Amino acid sequence: EADIYQTPRYLVIGTGKKITLECSQTMGHDKMYWYQQDPGMELHLIHYSYGVNSTEKGDLSSESTVSRIRTEHFPLTLESARPSHTSQYLCASMGWSTEAFFGQGTRLTVV
Amino acid sequence: DAKTTQPPSMDCAEGRAANLPCNHSTISGNEYVYWYRQIHSQGPQYIIHGLKNNETNEMASLIITEDRKSSTLILPHATLRDTAVYYCIVRVPRSQGNLIFGKGTKLSVKP
Repeated sequence: EADIYQTPRYLVIGTGKKITLECSQTMGHDKMYWYQQDPGMELHLIHYSYGVNSTEKGDLSSESTVSRIRTEHFPLTLESARPSHTSQYLCASMGWSTEAFFGQGTRLTVV
Repeated sequence: DAKTTQPPSMDCAEGRAANLPCNHSTISGNEYVYWYRQIHSQGPQYIIHGLKNNETNEMASLIITEDRKSSTLILPHATLRDTAVYYCIVRVPRSQGNLIFGKGTKLSVKP
C-alpha cells in the first residue's frame, strides 16, 4: 500500500480564489511529480522535483506553482483559480526502486 | 527517454489472455521498459518492468523482443476489473528525467 496522500479529494471553489492542493508521502522519496488530467484524456506532467529546494516545470505549461521545502511535502498552489483550471490533479513520488506511487488525486472544479 | 507507440484501444474477452503491444524502436541500452495501468480516474499503478529478459509477476508477464525494439504485456486471464488504460514507458532507472505518460492503450475486457 502506497503511503502518498492528497487532500482534498474534491474541491469546488469560486473564480479568483487562491487554492493549495496538498501532497504528502511518508516513503522518503526524493522525486515527486504533479500531473493534470481531464476526463478521458492523457496525463500531463506540470511540475516535478528531484528533492528539497528543487522544482522544475513539466511538459504542460501551467499557471500553478509548487514548492519543496520538506522531502515529504510537495504542495501545488493556484494564486487565482479560473474555470480553465477545472481538472483532476494527481501527485506521485518515486524512490530508488523506480516504481512510481500515485495519490488518489484531487478533483478541482472552479465555478 | 525513448518514445513509445501503443495502439489507442483493444478489446479482450473475459478469461482470455490480453496481449498489449508497445513499440520502442529508439530505446537505448540502459533504458528499461515499464508498464503502468490506470483504472478509471485513479492514479496509475505500476505493473511490471524489464530490461531484456522476459519478466513475470503476480499481475502480468512482460515479453521483450531480442532487439528490444518492442515488447508485449500479457494479462493471462483478463477479468472485467482489468479494463483500464495501459501505459508503456521506457526510461533509465533512477534517472533524474521526467516521468512522462503517453496516450496508452485503452483495454476493454468484455463479458
